[in-house]
Amino acid sequence: DVKVTQSSRYLVKRTGEKVFLECVQDMDHENMFWYRQDPGLGLRLIYFSYDVKMKEKGDIPEGYSVSREKKERFSLILESASTNQTSMYLCASSLGPPGGGTKNIQYFGAGTRLSVL
Amino acid sequence: AQSVTQPDIHITVSEGASLELRCNYSYGATPYLFWYVQSPGQGLQLLLKYFSGDTLVQGIKGFEAEFKRSQSSFNLRKPSVHWSDAAEYFCAVAPIKAAGNKLTFGGGTRVLVKP
Repeated sequence: DVKVTQSSRYLVKRTGEKVFLECVQDMDHENMFWYRQDPGLGLRLIYFSYDVKMKEKGDIPEGYSVSREKKERFSLILESASTNQTSMYLCASSLGPPGGGTKNIQYFGAGTRLSVL
Repeated sequence: AQSVTQPDIHITVSEGASLELRCNYSYGATPYLFWYVQSPGQGLQLLLKYFSGDTLVQGIKGFEAEFKRSQSSFNLRKPSVHWSDAAEYFCAVAPIKAAGNKLTFGGGTRVLVKP
């Protein structure tokens, strides 16, 4: 089974802090994703990466950055946390490549619920 | 830009009754289509997917979905709901040929199951 592990289930941070959310997958997947989930809005893509050290902005990248130094690990960084970044953050991975049918299935971690006070 | 609409924010259904969740998408070509389920406090689990071929697809937990190209819809159904089906359900689409295969999600439908 594919396993996507997010390092923290719950985090509480203060406004202005630098926050790191970590995600690790154990299936040698090419693609990794960070989403945030808010009630009524579903999941919205923040950033994704389709190879080591490659990243692309998603739909809502403002206030976030990412790092992918190793294939299995994808980090989401909040440079200066703000209260409007209080949310549930979900990491996902997929095997790739494009058009590859079942290789496009994304597998999700359990999520990190972040509160910024 | 592609978009996904789930018109029903909440649905309440009695245990043993049938369930149908609606999903409509807007996209230039037929994308890949997915339904995910999220139980309370959990991540998302894939229920089923449509890539091509037979427009009626079977998934896990007794769910099925039907792709209707003319209506740009991919509705999810279950003939008889169990209390454990109480969860939030998300429809999602992804372009077939694009780096990263980004998913676009609907806003979700929360299903409550009455005894």
